[in-house]
Amino acid sequence: AQTVTQSQPEMSVQEAETVTLSCTYDTSESDYYLFWYKQPPSRQMILVIRQEAYKQQNATENRFSVNFQKAAKSFSLKISDSQLGDAAMYFCAYRSAFSYNFNKFYFGSGTKLNVKP
Amino acid sequence: DAGVIQSPRHEVTEMGQEVTLRCKPISGHNSLFWYRQTMMRGLELLIYFNNNVPIDDSGMPEDRFSAKMPNASFSTLKIQPSEPRDSAVYFCASLTGDRVGSPLHFGNGTRLTVT
Repeated sequence: AQTVTQSQPEMSVQEAETVTLSCTYDTSESDYYLFWYKQPPSRQMILVIRQEAYKQQNATENRFSVNFQKAAKSFSLKISDSQLGDAAMYFCAYRSAFSYNFNKFYFGSGTKLNVKP
Repeated sequence: DAGVIQSPRHEVTEMGQEVTLRCKPISGHNSLFWYRQTMMRGLELLIYFNNNVPIDDSGMPEDRFSAKMPNASFSTLKIQPSEPRDSAVYFCASLTGDRVGSPLHFGNGTRLTVT
């Protein structure tokens, strides 16, 4: 089975600065999708960004971007110009592209991001 | 798009009582998932349905837990009898089969407290 590891249980960043959250995964599959979800104190799980493994170009969504290193099985999230509203738990998730495992999502344990004013 | 709708938002009950959590997936989504989130175990998949049919219930902790999806727009997760260790946030999520690699869409969750 695939595993997703987030090695940083908690991180802090100063408002307006940049922070990078780490995620690594273990898989033998060649095609898959990776996601970052944000869970603020309101507890809603919000999709932040999505990456397709066969695309070499790193995904970006406004202040959020990823550094996808397929060979290293690494998928880090960079938040630029951090804002107070970015304070949340962040979860990395993996989804297979193959039909036998199509609907299985594998989640990391999460990283709590604190943003200091 | 109303999103995934869960009810109730909070539930407090006494040990031994029956608890029913409800979920309405996004219209047109053909897969529905129930997850449980705790500090100790993180996000755990309990069960998922595809076209209203349970596909994988290996995550259901024990026979006290049951889930149904009588139609494409409604699902329930029932705990009977409830125990204090069932206290957690329960999420419902739905997924469209129309787009390869689409993400899960989560509801706001139900925080269950069993005293």
